[in-house]
Amino acid sequence: DTGVSQNPRHKITKRGQNVTFRCDPISEHNRLYWYRQTLGQGPEFLTYFQNEAQLEKSRLLSDRFSAERPKGSFSTLEIQRTEQGDSAMYLCASSLFAGSTGELFFGEGSRLTVL
Amino acid sequence: AQTVTQSQPEMSVQEAETVTLSCTYDTSESDYYLFWYKQPPSRQMILVIRQEAYKQQNATENRFSVNFQKAAKSFSLKISDSQLGDAAMYFCAYRRVSGNTPLVFGKGTRLSVIA
Repeated sequence: DTGVSQNPRHKITKRGQNVTFRCDPISEHNRLYWYRQTLGQGPEFLTYFQNEAQLEKSRLLSDRFSAERPKGSFSTLEIQRTEQGDSAMYLCASSLFAGSTGELFFGEGSRLTVL
Repeated sequence: AQTVTQSQPEMSVQEAETVTLSCTYDTSESDYYLFWYKQPPSRQMILVIRQEAYKQQNATENRFSVNFQKAAKSFSLKISDSQLGDAAMYFCAYRRVSGNTPLVFGKGTRLSVIA
């Protein structure tokens, strides 16, 4: 068990460019979550998947954001036409569903800086 | 909607002393989980302690314990014998049991440990 892995760890981009982040959850976990965390704040929920199905999306997830989990394993979060306000840490977490104690396991995050 | 409030943006404690971090939450649910997560600087978030709402007994994990007051919707974390490695952001989080919904986080408390 290697834990939740996120790539890239850091991304600097210019306003208007597209960026994509990848998350590899713990292998037996069927739930995968994306959160956004700005400096000095707690994580804010963006979206989550159960296997390949996207079950819930936050109002924070504008039309420029899209997330996929095509085979129920890794997930990608794409931000199109980035804006400076998108600068944040994007956290991925995973959990079991059946028999879950509710705990989420987090990756180290992908930090986005939009210039 | 459920909310989690941490009223102490920053706290400090002398090494080997005890500190208590406060958390209140708002929910109409009767079945839920409460968590304290620790986020060291530039490192991933890890679970410190978990409490199931149906359990009256307060959870303990070594030097970490909680004071869970269900009627008051209060969930404080006590760290005993504080160590330098305890310095981090601490987030209180809530998750209802039904529907296995995402964690809702507070804004966090930054804990400094003074040698």
